[in-house]
Amino acid sequence: QQPVQSPQAVILREGEDAVINCSSSKALYSVHWYRQKHGEAPVFLMILLKGGEQKGHDKISASFNEKKQQSSLYLTASQLSYSGTYFCGTDPTSNTGKLIFGQGTTLQVKP
Amino acid sequence: NAGVTQTPKFRVLKTGQSMTLLCAQDMNHEYMYWYRQDPGMGLRLIHYSVGEGTTAKGEVPDGYNVSRLKKQNFLLGLESAAPSQTSVYFCASEERKFQLTSTDTQYFGPGTRLTVL
Repeated sequence: QQPVQSPQAVILREGEDAVINCSSSKALYSVHWYRQKHGEAPVFLMILLKGGEQKGHDKISASFNEKKQQSSLYLTASQLSYSGTYFCGTDPTSNTGKLIFGQGTTLQVKP
Repeated sequence: NAGVTQTPKFRVLKTGQSMTLLCAQDMNHEYMYWYRQDPGMGLRLIHYSVGEGTTAKGEVPDGYNVSRLKKQNFLLGLESAAPSQTSVYFCASEERKFQLTSTDTQYFGPGTRLTVL
């Protein structure tokens, strides 16, 4: 079952904040976040493992609530370079590598 | 390090033709993956491999075969191409040994754009 991402698209001005959510109907061991720019390959942002951890990466951070089977990606003080499509990938196990990706959230940051 | 490379970058096939997509990685990674990406569908796993000589089915394996004869290469084959296989194909590799850790990363290749007429 594909995780559901929300919103599907968001438009921001530089400096504004955004939150992208990823919800699964299945219990999860890990959530993986990627960003893809148009015509390019996805680029890894971060992994969150079971245990309800939060991680940060410059001004991009994420949380994982395993009880709610949800993860959220937080982009603060957005920059033009943040534009792209964000995907979450979910895995119910710890060792197969079989990620199921959401449909993506398109983020556009305007000057 | 070239990272993950894919050959070819573009290809047009006629229905019923066959072809092989090559993925190569120079990072000595154990895990390798083949995904397809269609508009509005995100990435879907076709097949994957957890080591040399091993392969396993992913989410959408029908119509595809794979082989991992060498650790650095992962081949994706289409025996009889169909228009439904028109897509962008991405290969990825990952170092993980067995248990996932918070530092594991899938590195993606640049993609192959395949059109089946």
